Amino acid sequence: AQSVTQLDSQVPVFEEAPVELRCNYSSSVSVYLFWYVQYPNQGLQLLLKYLSGSTLVESINGFEAEFNKSQTSFHLRKPSVHISDTAEYFCAVSVYNTDKLIFGTGTRLQVFP
Amino acid sequence: DAGVTQSPTHLIKTRGQHVTLRCSPISGHKSVSWYQQVLGQGPQFIFQYYEKEERGRGNFPDRFSARQFPNYSSELNVNALLLGDSALYLCASSPGLKETQYFGPGTRLLVL
Repeated sequence: AQSVTQLDSQVPVFEEAPVELRCNYSSSVSVYLFWYVQYPNQGLQLLLKYLSGSTLVESINGFEAEFNKSQTSFHLRKPSVHISDTAEYFCAVSVYNTDKLIFGTGTRLQVFP
Repeated sequence: DAGVTQSPTHLIKTRGQHVTLRCSPISGHKSVSWYQQVLGQGPQFIFQYYEKEERGRGNFPDRFSARQFPNYSSELNVNALLLGDSALYLCASSPGLKETQYFGPGTRLLVL
């Protein structure tokens, strides 16, 4: 069975500071990896995904994540955060032959001015 | 292009009642999945439908059922509501199988 662990439930950070949101997964088979963002009272928006190829993937708003197979991690990073990045971030995996997404418990990123 | 739409946005029911939640996928998407997100937790997979057939089912009781219509829209039905069914119910669509899922805004269900 697959599982996802997000080690930090909350991450407070000041505006323009760098941030890393940690995600580790467990799976005996190959997986796809995703980061979704959820703004207050909204659904989930896809931030970025790793399917294959380059282990470093980037989003259009400055976030990036690196797939590390040996450490079974897919940490999300941003070099300089903005107030508008305040949201809940969910890491998820899906197994190659299914569409079922397995989510972590989420990390609330709070950016302070 | 319109994204995934869900109705209603909010709903209040009492224990024992029945509820139907609706989802319209992105135009051209043939797969619809349902997730339950309890407050403070990540979404949990309930069902996936593709071409009107159930393709996957999560660990939920038989009180939960769903179906997909010829236009690819979908309904999630929950019978005999319990307090623990209070959650945000999310619908996600994708063009086909094994493709990226795009989520709707959700229906927030409160069971009293």
